[in-house]
Amino acid sequence: AQSVTQPDIHITVSEGASLELRCNYSYGATPYLFWYVQSPGQGLQLLLKYFSGDTLVQGIKGFEAEFKRSQSSFNLRKPSVHWSDAAEYFCAVGTTSGTYKYIFGTGTRLKVLA
Amino acid sequence: NAGVTQTPKFQVLKTGQSMTLQCAQDMNHEYMSWYRQDPGMGLRLIHYSVGAGITDQGEVPNGYNVSRSTTEDFPLRLLSAAPSQTSVYFCASSPSANSGNTIYFGEGSWLTVV
Repeated sequence: AQSVTQPDIHITVSEGASLELRCNYSYGATPYLFWYVQSPGQGLQLLLKYFSGDTLVQGIKGFEAEFKRSQSSFNLRKPSVHWSDAAEYFCAVGTTSGTYKYIFGTGTRLKVLA
Repeated sequence: NAGVTQTPKFQVLKTGQSMTLQCAQDMNHEYMSWYRQDPGMGLRLIHYSVGAGITDQGEVPNGYNVSRSTTEDFPLRLLSAAPSQTSVYFCASSPSANSGNTIYFGEGSWLTVV
């Protein structure tokens, strides 16, 4: 069955530190891959997406993600975290055949220490 | 730009009451969907629509009805509210049913059933 796993429910980093949020997926082919961010009381905003080609994808707000086919992973990274990055982050998979749908992970809540 | 608009933002219902969550988008998107977000469970698809007059069930459709009489509107109906339907509901849209498209989310509707 198709699934997305975000193994870290909560992550706390200090402002200025680097960040990596993990995402693993289970799918029979290479899916479309997304990262979304949700600020408190808000909807989800797209950070970046991967369809094909270069496996390192740049997004908004200084985020990047790397697709690793061999590990079925699509981890999100940022070199230096800002306090405003505190939010919940969702990895999602878009299926590429059959009944098109999006599958979301359970989210990682990021706390940033001043 | 309006994007995806949901109303109401907050609602308290008594068990057994019915209500409709409204969703409208002004981007001429074909694909619209409803998700519910619960702690530790990420976003789960309730119903979706690939165009006016076409709807289908998602992962957790029980207790909810939808219709799509126009491209713009996709209301979600709770027929007889239950405490298990206490959740945050998000409406989303994308240009087409191709899951490679970016999904645009509304700001959410917080529903409490007592």
